[in-house]
Amino acid sequence: AQSVTQPDIHITVSEGASLELRCNYSYGATPYLFWYVQSPGQGLQLLLKYFSGDTLVQGIKGFEAEFKRSQSSFNLRKPSVHWSDAAEYFCAVGPNSGNTPLVFGKGTRLSVIA
Amino acid sequence: DSGVTQTPKHLITATGQRVTLRCSPRSGDLSVYWYQQSLDQGLQFLIQYYNGEERAKGNILERFSAQQFPDLHSELNLSSLELGDSALYFCASSVGVQSYNEQFFGPGTRLTVL
Repeated sequence: AQSVTQPDIHITVSEGASLELRCNYSYGATPYLFWYVQSPGQGLQLLLKYFSGDTLVQGIKGFEAEFKRSQSSFNLRKPSVHWSDAAEYFCAVGPNSGNTPLVFGKGTRLSVIA
Repeated sequence: DSGVTQTPKHLITATGQRVTLRCSPRSGDLSVYWYQQSLDQGLQFLIQYYNGEERAKGNILERFSAQQFPDLHSELNLSSLELGDSALYFCASSVGVQSYNEQFFGPGTRLTVL
């Protein structure tokens, strides 16, 4: 069965520091991969997605993620974190065809300190 | 603002009761998804409707049911409520039936069962 693991429940970084959030997946076929962000009191918003092609994908708000098939990973990165990036981040995996539901990781909560 | 609306924002009720959560998708979106978010289980897919028809079912209890109406709004009915049903319930919408289409999430309904 497909699954997504986000090993870090909570991460704290200083404003201006770089960020990497980890995501590992288990999927039987070539998956589609997503990162969503949930700000406090809000619904989830898509940051970026990987379907195929270049394994480094760019998203909104200055985020990027790299797909590494050999490591079954899709880590999210940002070179310089802003206080407004404090939120919960969810990695998700889905099928490349059909409408099998997305499977979400349990999320990583990001805190940003001055 | 994702364009997806959910009502009510908060709901407090007692065990054994029945409630209805409502979702209006983005204009033009035909798919509606329902998710349950709890601290221990994370974000769990419940059910998907596409243009009025059920298309995918996840970990939805038999006490829960949903439907999508001709105007494409959707309702999630939760009955015989238990304490463990307390959670944040999200609705999301997307253009197509495939789950890999970008899903736009509403702000959620927070259900508290006392």
